[in-house]
Amino acid sequence: GAGVSQSPSNKVTEKGKDVELRCDPISGHTALYWYRQSLGQGLEFLIYFQGNSAPDKSGLPSDRFSAERTGGSVSTLTIQRTQQEDSAVYLCASSLAGPPGDTQYFGPGTRLTVL
Amino acid sequence: KQEVTQIPAALSVPEGENLVLNCSFTDSAIYNLQWFRQDPGKGLTSLLLIQSSQREQTSGRLNASLDKSSGRSTLYIAASQPGDSATYLCAVSLTSLGSQGNLIFGKGTKLSVKP
Repeated sequence: GAGVSQSPSNKVTEKGKDVELRCDPISGHTALYWYRQSLGQGLEFLIYFQGNSAPDKSGLPSDRFSAERTGGSVSTLTIQRTQQEDSAVYLCASSLAGPPGDTQYFGPGTRLTVL
Repeated sequence: KQEVTQIPAALSVPEGENLVLNCSFTDSAIYNLQWFRQDPGKGLTSLLLIQSSQREQTSGRLNASLDKSSGRSTLYIAASQPGDSATYLCAVSLTSLGSQGNLIFGKGTKLSVKP
């Protein structure tokens, strides 16, 4: 079956603009995760959804970052007033149930470049 | 706070050589440990998952070991091939979800296998 998909694959934007990144999880997966991978850094956890709710949003780096999930499926990560330090690869993952220990399946990522 | 360290950051070997990648973590209270592979422009592919009660897992030419008490894991790749060239990420799964998420990643080892 289809894996996790993300769009766009690449996004170049100007500083100060808003961007929306989309994640389509594997069908039937109830848990969805967003991570950020900056150059030279490890993967940084941003937020996790169980169904449509996010039990813990404290991984989001600032209040410019927000995410939502509708219908227990598609999720959108929004970054407002983008800054150059937001440039990174944003990875989405989904799992059948949720933590702990449930295998996460990753999408190909969206590479965001803020000029 | 759990921290995961991978050594070396980069490794270049000739084809056919056996090699070992190292991962260490600071808190032994983990649920499991996973090794992932990341190819450029692609998402993460799970290679091996070791439960906290296990000592090792094998898949083909890959063998991963876990010593939870010392906070260490190794990924052994036998008879390396150019197709093994990728970045290898180690991640530990915590027993609960927190501000770090529950899957904590190292920064990876970039492996290059020369033909």
